[in-house]
Parts: sequence; structure tokens; C-alpha cells
Amino acid sequence: DVKVTQSSRYLVKRTGEKVFLECVQDMDHENMFWYRQDPGLGLRLIYFSYDVKMKEKGDIPEGYSVSREKKERFSLILESASTNQTSMYLCASSSGRREQYFGPGTRLTVT
Amino acid sequence: GQQLNQSPQSMFIQEGEDVSMNCTSSSIFNTWLWYKQDPGEGPVLLIALYKAGELTSNGRLTAQFGITRKDSFLNISASIPSDVGIYFCAGQFTSGSRLTFGEGTQLTVNP
Repeated sequence: DVKVTQSSRYLVKRTGEKVFLECVQDMDHENMFWYRQDPGLGLRLIYFSYDVKMKEKGDIPEGYSVSREKKERFSLILESASTNQTSMYLCASSSGRREQYFGPGTRLTVT
Repeated sequence: GQQLNQSPQSMFIQEGEDVSMNCTSSSIFNTWLWYKQDPGEGPVLLIALYKAGELTSNGRLTAQFGITRKDSFLNISASIPSDVGIYFCAGQFTSGSRLTFGEGTQLTVNP
């Protein structure tokens, strides 16, 4: 079975803090994705990566950056957290021409 | 960006009833995916469709890839309380590329 894990299920941070969200997949997938999910707005793509050290902007990259130093790990970074970044963050991975598999999500609250 | 129209937005049904939901797009997709999301969890892949006209079942779930490649439906037969959740469709333009998601159908099953 494909397994995508995220470092935290729940996270509370203060405005201005630097926040790291980690995602690890164990199926040697080339592609990894970060989404945020908000009520009424659905799933929105923040960043994705097709290979190690490679990244591409999604639909809402502002305020975020990513890092992919190893194939199995994709990190989402909030350089200076703001309250409007309070959301559910979902990581996903896929292999080549196949479907995406999601992690359990991280519920981030910025106060 | 590209929009997927998913309907209905919500459904309230009695246990044992059959359920049908669908997604339509103005553009052609090469892949259709259906996911289910439980509260506070990440989406779980239910069915993946790769060819126009394809009809695929997974237990009580059946999904079809429309002939025009612009639509897909998901049926759930003999619903049970654990079917409660949000069901998302997702389309993929080219293999290995990003997904476009529908806004979800919230399903409530009354025992």
C-alpha cells in the first residue's frame, strides 16, 4: 500500500513564525504536491515537484516555499506565518502516469 | 483556472438508498479520479478511470468515464452509515500532470 505521512496532524503557530510542514512517501514516487483546503474553496495547489530539487508553482504559491532535497521528502515552508494561512494542508504523491495519493493532512492554526 | 462542476453539492439520504453524483468539465480529461474524504482526514482514492467509456466498480461503488471525456459519474449502491463523507472528482489533462478538483459532494446517510 502507498503510504504518505505528514509530520503533524495539528499545529498551532504564532503570526510571523517560520513554519515547516514535512511530507514523506514510501513508494519511490517522482511527483509530490502540496495543497491547502478551505471550506467553500476546495483543494488548491500550492506547489508541486516532479523530481529532486525541482519545484513548480501551483495556483496559490504566494507566502509559501518548498524544498525537495530527497525523492521521498517534500517540505512546505511558510516563511512568516499569517492568520490567513490557517488551513488544512494536504500532501500528495504520484508515480509517472498514475493517480495521486494523499497524506492525512495537517490542520494548521496561526494565531 | 480550469473548473470542474460537481453536483449535487450535498445529499441527505436514508440508509439502503442508492446515490449518484457527477462531474462535468468544459475541457477534455485523460484521467478521471474519485476520492472520498472523512472529516479531518486526507482524501482516499476510490476509483481511477483511464479510458473514455470505461466503467469500473469497487465494491458498492461504480464509476464511469464519459464517452466525450468531459464528464464522469459515481454511483454508490445500498448506502450505509460509513459512506458519510465528502466525495471529490478530479480530472487530469495529461499523464503525470496536476489534478483539477471538483468542489465535492457532501453525503449524509441517515440510519
